[in-house]
Amino acid sequence: AQSVTQLGSHVSVSEGALVLLRCNYSSSVPPYLFWYVQYPNQGLQLLLKYTTGATLVKGINGFEAEFKKSETSFHLTKPSAHMSDAAEYFCAVSAAGYSTLTFGKGTMLLVSP
Amino acid sequence: KAGVTQTPRYLIKTRGQQVTLSCSPISGHRSVSWYQQTPGQGLQFLFEYFSETQRNKGNFPGRFSGRQFSNSRSEMNVSTLELGDSALYLCASSLNGGMNTEAFFGQGTRLTVV
Repeated sequence: AQSVTQLGSHVSVSEGALVLLRCNYSSSVPPYLFWYVQYPNQGLQLLLKYTTGATLVKGINGFEAEFKKSETSFHLTKPSAHMSDAAEYFCAVSAAGYSTLTFGKGTMLLVSP
Repeated sequence: KAGVTQTPRYLIKTRGQQVTLSCSPISGHRSVSWYQQTPGQGLQFLFEYFSETQRNKGNFPGRFSGRQFSNSRSEMNVSTLELGDSALYLCASSLNGGMNTEAFFGQGTRLTVV
């Protein structure tokens, strides 16, 4: 069985500040890990994914995440927040592929000028 | 190329009725997955279809069912609607559901049960 915990349902940052969204997972098998973003009234867009190999993963829009097996974490970061980053972010885990994703409850990122 | 299309975008139904939602995947994609999104439970996996066969199923009651046609279009049906079925229903398509292909999500169908 797999599960995902996202710490903080809401995170507020100022424009230009560091963005850090936390994700911890539980998986009985080597996991595949994902971060998705959802804008209001939209579907989900893939930001980045970890499957195997390099533990630091770079995604779109300047986001990156680091897979830390010892900490069972996959935190999402961006050095400098932009107003357009305001959205809801979901961490997800899968053992079988894209077709069966287990999502965290989501973190709403608020960016203030 | 066209993205994942879900119809209708919005639906209002009465308790006890049934509803059918449609998802047209990206051309060439054979895997379609369905998810339910609610404020309380978040995003939950319903089921996945691949080449007209249900390949995976989440933990939902039998009132939730689906199917996939030979052109990969998929429908999901909810019978005997309950108030708690009010949600955003998202479908995602990918070439084969594996790690080597990305899943693309539609904009969803927002179902309101009154």
